[in-house]
Amino acid sequence: SYVLTQPPSVSVAPGQTARITCGGNNIGSKSVHWYQQKPGQAPVLVVYDDSDRPSGIPERFSGSNSGNTATLTISRVEAGDEADYYCQVWDSSSDYVFGTGTKVTVL
Amino acid sequence: EVQLVESGGGLVQPGGSLRLSCAASGFTFSSYWMSWVRQAPGKGLEWVANIKQDGSEKYYVDSVKGRFTISRDNAKNSLYLQMNSLRAEDTAVYYCARVGGSSHFDYWGQGTLVTVSS
Repeated sequence: SYVLTQPPSVSVAPGQTARITCGGNNIGSKSVHWYQQKPGQAPVLVVYDDSDRPSGIPERFSGSNSGNTATLTISRVEAGDEADYYCQVWDSSSDYVFGTGTKVTVL
Repeated sequence: EVQLVESGGGLVQPGGSLRLSCAASGFTFSSYWMSWVRQAPGKGLEWVANIKQDGSEKYYVDSVKGRFTISRDNAKNSLYLQMNSLRAEDTAVYYCARVGGSSHFDYWGQGTLVTVSS
């Protein structure tokens, strides 16, 4: 089965840049999607197809994907960005796969 | 505005059954694959099942095959999940989600909690 590995936590000061990685075997050949989930709320799609943003998502959220690592970058971090973030891909042998999740803490 | 509203969750004993429903509005329901995704307390997200626009194809995560059945009624803009032989490890918040063009989940419901316990 296909596995996506994320760091458990990332801490960042307000105004700085947070980078959340998602590791998977040759993930660069897949489309990677990212979700934000705040406590007690449903996930929200923030980046799809590696680097596209749904309408209403700030430009501060961006994504990249190459080799064995995909990255979600949050620029000019705000207190409201504090949440859990999950990457996700579709794999022919595992169907929909989610990453292990990363808790972003704004210091 | 796209809306997905789940219902049907609750407390059930091990071995019992439950049927979840998801009412969709704000988009052409019959044009989209739909999915159920769950999240155990304090854990990550896990895809459970999905169904093609006309219901002709259905797929499940291995852990629920033979126990859960996904279905839809396009006339009622509704998605369902029939859950049988429930186990403690099925305890989770169950989300209904719309599948976007490249196999991502572009809209989610608020979730419904299923607790399997004696």
